[in-house]
Amino acid sequence: DQQVKQNSPSLSVQEGRISILNCDYTNSMFDYFLWYKKYPAEGPTFLISISSIKDKNEDGRFTVFLNKSAKHLSLHIVPSQPGDSAVYFCAASSLFNSGYSTLTFGKGTMLLVSP
Amino acid sequence: DARVTQTPRHKVTEMGQEVTMRCQPILGHNTVFWYRQTMMQGLELLAYFRNRAPLDDSGMPKDRFSAEMPDATLATLKIQPSEPRDSAVYFCASGRTGLSYEQYFGPGTRLTVT
Repeated sequence: DQQVKQNSPSLSVQEGRISILNCDYTNSMFDYFLWYKKYPAEGPTFLISISSIKDKNEDGRFTVFLNKSAKHLSLHIVPSQPGDSAVYFCAASSLFNSGYSTLTFGKGTMLLVSP
Repeated sequence: DARVTQTPRHKVTEMGQEVTMRCQPILGHNTVFWYRQTMMQGLELLAYFRNRAPLDDSGMPKDRFSAEMPDATLATLKIQPSEPRDSAVYFCASGRTGLSYEQYFGPGTRLTVT
C-alpha cells in the first residue's frame, strides 16, 4: 500500500522549458512534504519543502505547490537546466501531527533535461 | 562542509555472512535514520533514532537486522545472516529536530549478497 505515489517514472524536458513533477499521497495525517534530488551513486539531497499550512513555497527556480483537498503536490522547475537531470523523490511526513520526522518516499521520477 | 559519512561504500558478501554498515551523522544532529533503496520498493525506512534512542524500527526485519547507536557519532546497521534479497543500497540520514526537518543523506552502502 503505497502512501506516496509518483506515477511518472520518467520525464523528458528541453533546456529552458518548465519541468513539472507530480506526487500524490493518501495519508491525511501527512502535514509536511519535501522534494529530494538524487544523482547516481550519491545520496538524496534536500531540495525544497512545504508544510500543510501553505499552498506554495518558492526557492529560486524551484516551486512546490500543495493541493490538500486533492492530496497532490507538484514541483516546478523553471527554467530547466541540463544539471537538473536526476531522480526526484517526493517525501511526506506527519511531523506536526505525530512529532515524528520520519519520511515516506515515493519511488521517484527520473528527469532528463536535454540541451 | 558537514556531511554524513557511511562505510563501506560497497560490500559484496556471501549468503549467511554477517554484514555491518556504519554511519557517522553530522555533528550536532540528534536524529538518525536508516533507509534501504531497491528498484521494487524505492526508499524504505528501516530504523529511526532520536537522541540515540530507537524510536521506530518497524520497517526492519527483526529476525536478522539490528540497528544501534553506541554513541552520538556512530550508528550501525547489522544483518546476520545476510540473504540475497538483502541486496540493496542502504542510506543513513541525519537531522536536527526543532530547527529544521530536512534529513541529510550519506552516500549509501551498496550491498550485494551472493
